[in-house]
Amino acid sequence: GDSVTQMEGPVTLSEEAFLTINCTYTATGYPSLFWYVQYPGEGLQLLLKATKADDKGSNKGFEATYRKETTSFHLEKGSVQVSDSAVYFCALIPNAGNNRKLIWGLGTSLAVNP
Amino acid sequence: DAGVIQSPRHEVTEMGQEVTLRCKPISGHDYLFWYRQTMMRGLELLIYFNNNVPIDDSGMPEDRFSAKMPNASFSTLKIQPSEPRDSAVYFCASSSAILAGGPYNEQFFGPGTRLTVL
Repeated sequence: GDSVTQMEGPVTLSEEAFLTINCTYTATGYPSLFWYVQYPGEGLQLLLKATKADDKGSNKGFEATYRKETTSFHLEKGSVQVSDSAVYFCALIPNAGNNRKLIWGLGTSLAVNP
Repeated sequence: DAGVIQSPRHEVTEMGQEVTLRCKPISGHDYLFWYRQTMMRGLELLIYFNNNVPIDDSGMPEDRFSAKMPNASFSTLKIQPSEPRDSAVYFCASSSAILAGGPYNEQFFGPGTRLTVL
């Protein structure tokens, strides 16, 4: 079945370091791909998305490119800040039709030290 | 605009008691989702509704769990009787493909209800 695999955390970085969080997926057809972020004590919120192959989603300095050939959607940021400390979830919707059920990764915790 | 509203934010109860969690989705959204989050199992979809009708309840753990959506602006998740293993954070989320204007489906999450069953 459809699934999302994320790198395990926790990830600990110093401020201004480069961030990569790997995400790969298994799905038939052409899913839509998402990164959600959960700050401490809050619900999840959409960080960025990509709906077709080679699309690049970007927001708040974060980027991810939809790679159909490697079935990946890795999250990157060139210079992290303490305020980026959160849990990051990769997710997909198997198709863009009537299916509204997101398939979630387990989440990757990021801690950024000053 | 108000986001998704959940109540209570925290609930502590004793095993065997009935627990009711409440959710008010964003106005105009026609999809509503209930999730459970734990350290062990991560984020699990319990059930989701479209236009107040349950579409997929395959994630509901067992008969002790039930969810209703009597109208477009209110939903409840009930656990009766509650057990210690039900302790988790429960999230409600809502979405609307029509308002989003595209095939993707951003879900807007509430702040969650932290449930502790003693």
